[in-house]
Amino acid sequence: KNEVEQSPQNLTAQEGEFITINCSYSVGISALHWLQQHPGGGIVSLFMLSSGKKKHGRLIATINIQEKHSSLHITASHPRDSAVYICAVMDSNYQLIWGAGTKLIIKP
Amino acid sequence: GAGVSQSPRYKVAKRGRDVALRCDSISGHVTLYWYRQTLGQGSEVLTYSQSDAQRDKSGRPSGRFSAERPERSVSTLKIQRTEQGDSAVYLCASSFIPKDSYYGYTFGSGTRLTVV
Repeated sequence: KNEVEQSPQNLTAQEGEFITINCSYSVGISALHWLQQHPGGGIVSLFMLSSGKKKHGRLIATINIQEKHSSLHITASHPRDSAVYICAVMDSNYQLIWGAGTKLIIKP
Repeated sequence: GAGVSQSPRYKVAKRGRDVALRCDSISGHVTLYWYRQTLGQGSEVLTYSQSDAQRDKSGRPSGRFSAERPERSVSTLKIQRTEQGDSAVYLCASSFIPKDSYYGYTFGSGTRLTVV
């Protein structure tokens, strides 16, 4: 079993839909990243969470430390949100453990 | 540019040779990490530096990995006496906030090193 599990692996939705991507982990962490990678592009960190909830524009990330679970939500999704979204947890030694990623396609 | 760029994208090196990988981070960014990512083993931190003070966090394998930061926005990861186990993707990530403050990082696209 992988230490970081993401679901779903692939997600196709219509423009405007509310999107949720889930991440569960089994190790102790100091922080959790949500990362975004566009085709051919670099990786951008969207959020770094150690507790609670963060919001930036149409993106919302939540984390439940007790349940070892985090979610990334996108409201009013747009085709430019199409990308691979990666959950990565950082342990106390700043080692990153990456999830397999969720490929999101938003159709106009 | 607006992002973190790494060069070269691909590097093939003969075992035992030294290699240097470059990271151009974002102007104003304070903290810079070098990670090594291998299939099935995730990522491990090789070094990190904060501001102008180079702090080498390379614990495993120690000694062969070092990073220089001749300018705040440029870092060079040097690997001495490469081994086949060094074949991996090397990622650079930088942030404008000191590491203890926890903030988002911008990652480069990585350099894929193959040691033959």
